[in-house]
Amino acid sequence: DAGVTQSPTHLIKTRGQQVTLRCSPKSGHDTVSWYQQALGQGPQFIFQYYEEEERQRGNFPDRFSGHQFPNYSSELNVNALLLGDSALYLCASSLSGTDTQYFGPGTRLTVL
Amino acid sequence: GEDVEQSLFLSVREGDSSVINCTYTDSSSTYLYWYKQEPGAGLQLLTYIFSNMDMKQDQRLTVLLNKKDKHLSLRIADTQTGDSAIYFCAESIRGYQKVTFGTGTKLQVIP
Repeated sequence: DAGVTQSPTHLIKTRGQQVTLRCSPKSGHDTVSWYQQALGQGPQFIFQYYEEEERQRGNFPDRFSGHQFPNYSSELNVNALLLGDSALYLCASSLSGTDTQYFGPGTRLTVL
Repeated sequence: GEDVEQSLFLSVREGDSSVINCTYTDSSSTYLYWYKQEPGAGLQLLTYIFSNMDMKQDQRLTVLLNKKDKHLSLRIADTQTGDSAIYFCAESIRGYQKVTFGTGTKLQVIP
C-alpha cells in the first residue's frame, strides 16, 4: 500500500518564475491538503482540496493555487516566486469524514 | 483561532524517558496529534487523541491530556537514539480539516 508520494523531491527556481508541485494521496484517500514548512518552523496550512474543489484555505496569497484531479491527485502552483517562498512543501492526504492526515516526504523548493 | 506552543529543545540519555510538552488554545471538539520529523523527511503521524480523552498509550508512547490547562504531553519510554528527531504537536477542530502545528521540539538522545 503506497503512502503519500510527492514530486519532485527538490527544485531550484529563480525569483519571478512559476512552479508546479505534485502529490498522489494514500490509496483510499480522497482529500489532499498542502502545507508550507519554512526552515525551523512548523508546517503552515495552505489549502485543502476535496471533490476537485478548494474546500478550505489558510492565510496565503492568490499566487498560491491548486488543483485536484478525478483520481484525487493534486497539484500546487506558485506564481511569481519570491525568495520567501523557499521552503519544504508538504502534501497530506486523508479520507473525508475522518480527521487524520498522512504526510508525504515533501518537495524542497529553493528560490534564488 | 488555534495556537499551539512547544518548548524548542529536549536532551535525554538513551534508556531514559522523554517527556515533550505542548499547550493549545482551542477548547472546542479537537483532535490533538503528535508527529515526528527526521532530518530531510516528511512528517510521520505517531499518535493522536480526541479532546474528550485523558490518556492514550501505544507501545512506548503515552499521551496525556489535561483539558483544564489545555496541556498535552508525549512520553517516550526507554528512549533510543533512533528517537532523535523533531516532534510536532498539532491540533485540528472536528469538521475543519486544517491542522495547526506548533514550532516543534527537537529531541536529542545522548548515547
